[in-house]
Amino acid sequence: NAGVTQTPKFQVLKTGQSMTLQCAQDMNHEYMSWYRQDPGMGLRLIHYSVGAGITDQGEVPNGYNVSRSTTEDFPLRLLSAAPSQTSVYFCASSYSGLNGNTIYFGEGSWLTVV
Amino acid sequence: EDQVTQSPEALRLQEGESSSLNCSYTVSGLRGLFWYRQDPGKGPEFLFTLYSAGEEKEKERLKATLTKKESFLHITAPKPEDSATYLCAVNNFNKFYFGSGTKLNVKP
Repeated sequence: NAGVTQTPKFQVLKTGQSMTLQCAQDMNHEYMSWYRQDPGMGLRLIHYSVGAGITDQGEVPNGYNVSRSTTEDFPLRLLSAAPSQTSVYFCASSYSGLNGNTIYFGEGSWLTVV
Repeated sequence: EDQVTQSPEALRLQEGESSSLNCSYTVSGLRGLFWYRQDPGKGPEFLFTLYSAGEEKEKERLKATLTKKESFLHITAPKPEDSATYLCAVNNFNKFYFGSGTKLNVKP
């Protein structure tokens, strides 16, 4: 049982480049989300999705795009990377975002923008 | 505004020295309070979910409790392998709000 799988694990980008962080889950979870984790800031919600075709913004959505074409996949796109986007990114999924369902995390993607 | 505050930021214990971590929260509609453990270079690992004031849950040396304004993670007779960052989060409908964590270091 793979759970939540993120790729790549590590990435270095130049300012202005674009890239996509991939996230896939095999638990048939409806709810998926992306967080970034910065020192002293905790985990902050970027975007989330409650099902295929439905996405919404979290606390820090600027500079990031998402789409949800299938239940399994929820990619995060950086259209024009900035040094402020240097962070660790975590994808998480849950049966539902409601009613206190536990969210399960991937292993993280370390992104450096130079 | 929904908010989660954890204290202390860091805690150093001797092996066997029991202590508690605090998670204070403000949320308009609590659907659940979660505790996670995070090891360096890893994703958060689920520990507990608490749903209502007065609820308690235990797992090995860890015990989580919940009141209407805060949650405590009690660590009894900790071992070095309990060293990690402990994260608290609250669920309000479709959003989860995390505290910045308590970094626990247990010395042998």
